[in-house]
Amino acid sequence: AQSVTQPDIHITVSEGASLELRCNYSYGATPYLFWYVQSPGQGLQLLLKYFSGDTLVQGIKGFEAEFKRSQSSFNLRKPSVHWSDAAEYFCAVGPYNQGGKLIFGQGTELSVKP
Amino acid sequence: DAGVTQSPTHLIKTRGQQVTLRCSPKSGHDTVSWYQQALGQGPQFIFQYYEEEERQRGNFPDRFSGHQFPNYSSELNVNALLLGDSALYLCASSLAQGTDTQYFGPGTRLTVL
Repeated sequence: AQSVTQPDIHITVSEGASLELRCNYSYGATPYLFWYVQSPGQGLQLLLKYFSGDTLVQGIKGFEAEFKRSQSSFNLRKPSVHWSDAAEYFCAVGPYNQGGKLIFGQGTELSVKP
Repeated sequence: DAGVTQSPTHLIKTRGQQVTLRCSPKSGHDTVSWYQQALGQGPQFIFQYYEEEERQRGNFPDRFSGHQFPNYSSELNVNALLLGDSALYLCASSLAQGTDTQYFGPGTRLTVL
């Protein structure tokens, strides 16, 4: 079965602290992996994506993610969190040809303490 | 460069009614996908349109239907609304060819009373 699991429903970090959001996937074919961010009442904004090549990918807003095939994981990281990073984060998996659907995790809500 | 736009922003309907949501894709994109996002959940794929035809469909009943126009814009129609249809409906556009990304619109918030 194809699925994405984000084990942490809600995470709170202090401003300036590091962040890691976990994502595990189950996908039959070669996965195309994404992290999206959603602010309250807004649509989804792409942070970064991975299909092949260097397993550490850089995205916007200082985010990065590391693909680990052996662990079926694609965790999102940021060295120093800013208050404006508070939002909902979604991991998604889809087919490489972009002709198919994206499967999303349930999301992780990030709160940032001052 | 205009991104993905959706209308209306918010909509309130009663059970049994029908609703139509609209989406204009990002400039240059030819494929439109629709997703339903219930409160506290991740988006779920409804269907995708390319060349004015439904190319792929998720696990949604026939009450959910769509259309794509020659200018690539799209409509999502939902008949016989149920309370459980209350959700944020997201439209995403992309290119059929290549490895382009799906870009999402701001969504339409549908409330069914």
